Amino acid sequence: DAKTTQPTSMDCAEGRAANLPCNHSTISGNEYVYWYRQIHSQGPQYIIHGLKNNETNEMASLIITEDRKSSTLILPHATLRDTAVYYCIVMGYNQGGKLIFGQGTELSVKP
Amino acid sequence: GAVVSQHPSRVICKSGTSVKIECRSLDFQATTMFWYRQFPKQSLMLMATSNEGSKATYEQGVEKDKFLINHASLTLSTLTVTSAHPEDSSFYICSASPDTYGYTFGSGTRLTVV
Repeated sequence: DAKTTQPTSMDCAEGRAANLPCNHSTISGNEYVYWYRQIHSQGPQYIIHGLKNNETNEMASLIITEDRKSSTLILPHATLRDTAVYYCIVMGYNQGGKLIFGQGTELSVKP
Repeated sequence: GAVVSQHPSRVICKSGTSVKIECRSLDFQATTMFWYRQFPKQSLMLMATSNEGSKATYEQGVEKDKFLINHASLTLSTLTVTSAHPEDSSFYICSASPDTYGYTFGSGTRLTVV
């Protein structure tokens, strides 16, 4: 079973920041937080991952709370092409690389 | 960046026949690959872990005799759906990792059994 909880859907205005929350209250000390997204009828795309520090790359920022029980993915300037299902996944290196997907958040970016 | 190629992207087969789906890591070697299945409006479900040179490991509830997995080289894993039936119609996706961090997914195969 997925170890994360995400809202089912969210809307965001084009050009605004999209903040996608994720709860992972049972996360273990060696588990990372991964974010992937899936655009309709395509394979999932890696976005970002982190352990406990905040992370930023060219796609997004990941903010992890100090207790690591939740995190937020931030798309700073959402575009229509960011409309997708966003998955938050926790996984440790000793778990054989199995990414277990929950239901994710369906983000709709609107003009 | 790391690329995983999946072929075919779409396939239609008759009920009772078998169909093979290929998953290739194009610019890296992968001792382990993963196969997922996704039904419409649902999330990805992990089916099995493909291990190069050894037997695949199947998730609970996945029929290993129906979904045959072969990982004969460090860049190729195949999934064969045997004796396909309409309920096997789904979106099949593979993934592999070029390092210990990120996992790259193929573009998926849409299987329709008629």
